[in-house]
Amino acid sequence: DTAVSQTPKYLVTQMGNDKSIKCEQNLGHDTMYWYKQDSKKFLKIMFSYNNKELIINETVPNRFSPKSPDKAHLNLHINSLELGDSAVYFCASSQDWTAGNTIYFGEGSWLTVV
Amino acid sequence: QKEVEQDPGPLSVPEGAIVSLNCTYSNSAFQYFMWYRQYSRKGPELLMYTYSSGNKEDGRFTAQVDKSSKYISLFIRDSQPSDSATYLCASYSSASKIIFGSGTRLSIRP
Repeated sequence: DTAVSQTPKYLVTQMGNDKSIKCEQNLGHDTMYWYKQDSKKFLKIMFSYNNKELIINETVPNRFSPKSPDKAHLNLHINSLELGDSAVYFCASSQDWTAGNTIYFGEGSWLTVV
Repeated sequence: QKEVEQDPGPLSVPEGAIVSLNCTYSNSAFQYFMWYRQYSRKGPELLMYTYSSGNKEDGRFTAQVDKSSKYISLFIRDSQPSDSATYLCASYSSASKIIFGSGTRLSIRP
C-alpha cells in the first residue's frame, strides 16, 4: 500500500506543451507539498497546501499551478513547458503544517522536456 | 550563501568502515534537523531526526547537532553495501518549510 503515490513516474514531452502530474496520499495527512529536485540533486520546495489551502508558494513561475480538490490530493499542472523544467518532481505529505513533522515523499515523477 | 550546505561527494568507502557525513547551516534559529536517505530512482525517506543540540542514536546510525558551530553530522557504523545512497541533511526554516542540503552520494564497496 503506497502512502504517497504520484503519476506518471516518467514523462517526456516537447517544449511548449502543457502537462499534469497527479498525487494522492492515503495517510490521512492534512498537509501536502510539491518539491523539485534538479540534476544536482538539490531538493527545493515549490508549494505547500494545508487542508486544500495554499500556505507556501516559493516564487515559482505562474506556469506552475497546483490544485488540491481535497486534502488527500494535490495535482501539479505545468503550462508552456520549458527545457529548464526538466527535473524530478516529488509530491509529499505530513500530518499537519507545524514544524517538526515527518514528511513522507512519493517516488517522484521524472519530467524531461525536449 | 545557501541555508544548508553539504559536500556533494561522491564518497566511497569499504564495507565495514565508519562513515561521517556533514552539513553546515546558516540560521541560528533552526531547531529541527533531519537526515533523509534517497536511493536511486526513489523518493527521500526520513532516516534520523533530532531537535536542538546533542546526539541521537538508532542502530548503526548516530545523528549529531552542534548548534554552537551550526554543524550537523551523521555517522554510520559498520557500513553495508545497502547503505549506498544519497544522504540529504535538512532543517525546518519555518513551519511547513524544510530546507535541504544538496545531498552527499555515498558508495559502500563490498
